[in-house]
Amino acid sequence: AQSVTQPDIHITVSEGASLELRCNYSYGATPYLFWYVQSPGQGLQLLLKYFSGDTLVQGIKGFEAEFKRSQSSFNLRKPSVHWSDAAEYFCAVGARNTDKLIFGTGTRLQVFP
Amino acid sequence: DARVTQTPRHKVTEMGQEVTMRCQPILGHNTVFWYRQTMMQGLELLAYFRNRAPLDDSGMPKDRFSAEMPDATLATLKIQPSEPRDSAVYFCASGQGQGMADTQYFGPGTRLTVL
Repeated sequence: AQSVTQPDIHITVSEGASLELRCNYSYGATPYLFWYVQSPGQGLQLLLKYFSGDTLVQGIKGFEAEFKRSQSSFNLRKPSVHWSDAAEYFCAVGARNTDKLIFGTGTRLQVFP
Repeated sequence: DARVTQTPRHKVTEMGQEVTMRCQPILGHNTVFWYRQTMMQGLELLAYFRNRAPLDDSGMPKDRFSAEMPDATLATLKIQPSEPRDSAVYFCASGQGQGMADTQYFGPGTRLTVL
């Protein structure tokens, strides 16, 4: 069965530090992978997505993610975090033969000045 | 800037009352999703539609929840009767029906509190 695991429930970083949020997936074929961000009191917004091709994907707000098939991972990175990046981050995989997304449980990012 | 709109943004009601939440998908999008988000369960898909037809409502409690699309510009989610355990944030999202590759665009949510 398809699934997404985000091992870190909560991460705290200092402003200006680098960030990596982990995401592992379970899927029997080439996955369609997404990262969404949810700011407090808001809906989810797409940061980036991967379907095929270059395994390093660039997204909005300076984020990037790297697809590693051998590790079944799609980790999100940012070289220098800003206070406005404090939010909850969701990794998702497209469910086979449907329009549905399977979401992970999310990672809450806290940024200290 | 096209956006998904949801009304109301907040709703407080008493147990047993009917609740109706509305969603206006982005113009031209043909898929609509209803999600529920709680601290305990996270983000759950309740139902979704394509071209106004329900494709999957397996995540929805059938005895009290119903979802419809009266027309292409309006989706509704009703709870009757409401219960305290229904307290959650309900999100609507829309997409262009591109299957697994589709981007879902989320509305701001309706925060429901059932007393």
